[in-house]
Amino acid sequence: SQQGEEDPQALSIQEGENATMNCSYKTSINNLQWYRQNSGRGLVHLILIRSNEREKHSGRLRVTLDTSKKSSSLLITASRAADTASYFCVYNFNKFYFGSGTKLNVKP
Amino acid sequence: DGGITQSPKYLFRKEGQNVTLSCEQNLNHDAMYWYRQDPGQGLRLIYYSQIVNDFQKGDIAEGYSVSREKKESFPLTVTSAQKNPTAFYLCASTGWEGNQPQHFGDGTRLSIL
Repeated sequence: SQQGEEDPQALSIQEGENATMNCSYKTSINNLQWYRQNSGRGLVHLILIRSNEREKHSGRLRVTLDTSKKSSSLLITASRAADTASYFCVYNFNKFYFGSGTKLNVKP
Repeated sequence: DGGITQSPKYLFRKEGQNVTLSCEQNLNHDAMYWYRQDPGQGLRLIYYSQIVNDFQKGDIAEGYSVSREKKESFPLTVTSAQKNPTAFYLCASTGWEGNQPQHFGDGTRLSIL
């Protein structure tokens, strides 16, 4: 399978703390994307990082990419209860490959 | 507002019955996708289409069929040959320029009666 792997599978933190999720993938990539999914809803795109980029920021989100290790991480700073959701990394090489997701619970 | 609309939100299938899930987009996107999501899992690709009147099997196409007669529409039929159809089905689209994100609908939850 060429599906990505995410770590941890579940993460529970207090509001205000930072949350870090990691993703490993198996092929060359054009880009890597992170999505959020609230329970019972579709996926919402958060951020895209191209294969020639190493770090990208968007608001409270910071994404890093290490193509030599075939890995990426998503950092959410100063987390809020509304950040509670599942987070997926999706890497793109001819088609889209989904990780297994990290379930984040932010306790108020 | 541009987006993807999936209907219905909930669908029940009887044994031996085919059911069709609707997906419509007004984003002028060329590529459309159908995914299946089982509880606590990631998404698995069923079918995708890069252009009207053409589509390709994904990783789990058996028991499913699609059509792409219009750019805006990509319906998915779950046939009676799909023995375990209970899942959450998500439709997505993307522009075919490089490095584009996917836009998702809100999903259809299919259950067996």
